[in-house]
Amino acid sequence: AQKITQTQPGMFVQEKEAVTLDCTYDTSDPSYGLFWYKQPSSGEMIFLIYQGSYDQQNATEGRYSLNFQKARKSANLVISASQLGDSAMYFCAMRGTTNTGANSKLTFGKGITLSVRP
Amino acid sequence: ETGVTQTPRHLVMGMTNKKSLKCEQHLGHNAMYWYKQSAKKPLELMFVYNFKEQTENNSVPSRFSPECPNSSHLFLHLHTLQPEDSALYLCASSQDRGGAESSDTQYFGPGTRLTVL
Repeated sequence: AQKITQTQPGMFVQEKEAVTLDCTYDTSDPSYGLFWYKQPSSGEMIFLIYQGSYDQQNATEGRYSLNFQKARKSANLVISASQLGDSAMYFCAMRGTTNTGANSKLTFGKGITLSVRP
Repeated sequence: ETGVTQTPRHLVMGMTNKKSLKCEQHLGHNAMYWYKQSAKKPLELMFVYNFKEQTENNSVPSRFSPECPNSSHLFLHLHTLQPEDSALYLCASSQDRGGAESSDTQYFGPGTRLTVL
C-alpha cells in the first residue's frame, strides 16, 4: 500500500520569498513517481512537477523544484520567489509500479494550504 | 477547446433526481479517471478507464455509474444520491503507456461541484 503524508498546517510566506512544502511517502513498490499539484480556489488541479524514483537529479520546473531525499522518503516542493498567485492548496501524490507494470492509481496526500502575503 | 473540460461546473440535485456529469479530453490520451474530493479528505479515485475499458472500480456505490463511449469522453451518471455525496468531482486523463514507467502525468479538468439536497 502507498501512503502520502502532508502534515504542515496552513503555510504563510511573504511575496518574493521562497517556501518549502513538506511531503513524506511510504511504499514497497520497486519504482515509483512523485507528483505535485496545485489547486486554486477555482478547483482545477494543476500539475506542477514530477520526480521519478530512479532520477539522479532533483526535478526543476521554473520556480518549482523538488527536494527528493530517497533514503528519508521525502519529496518536498520548493517554490522560489513566491507570487500572490501561488496562494492555493498543494497536493503531493505518488504513482507506483508493480512487477507487471505501472499502477493507474495516484495516491494523494491531504494537501497544504499556502497563503502568500503582499 | 484544449486540455480537459467538465460540464456542468456546478450542479444541485435532489436525492431522487438523475443527472450526468460529462468530461472531455482534447489531449489524445488513452486513460481517463473520475475522482471525488470531499472537504478535508484526500482525493479518492473512483473509476479508471483505459482504451474505453474500465480497469478499476474503487468500491464505489452503484448509485454512481460511469460510461466511457470513447477515449475522449467520460460520463458519470448519478441517481438516488445521498447528501454525503456532495463533493467536487474531478475528471483526469493521461497517456498510460502501461509499462514499468510511473511518470505518466494525469491532467485534470476544472471539476463539477455537486450539492445533493
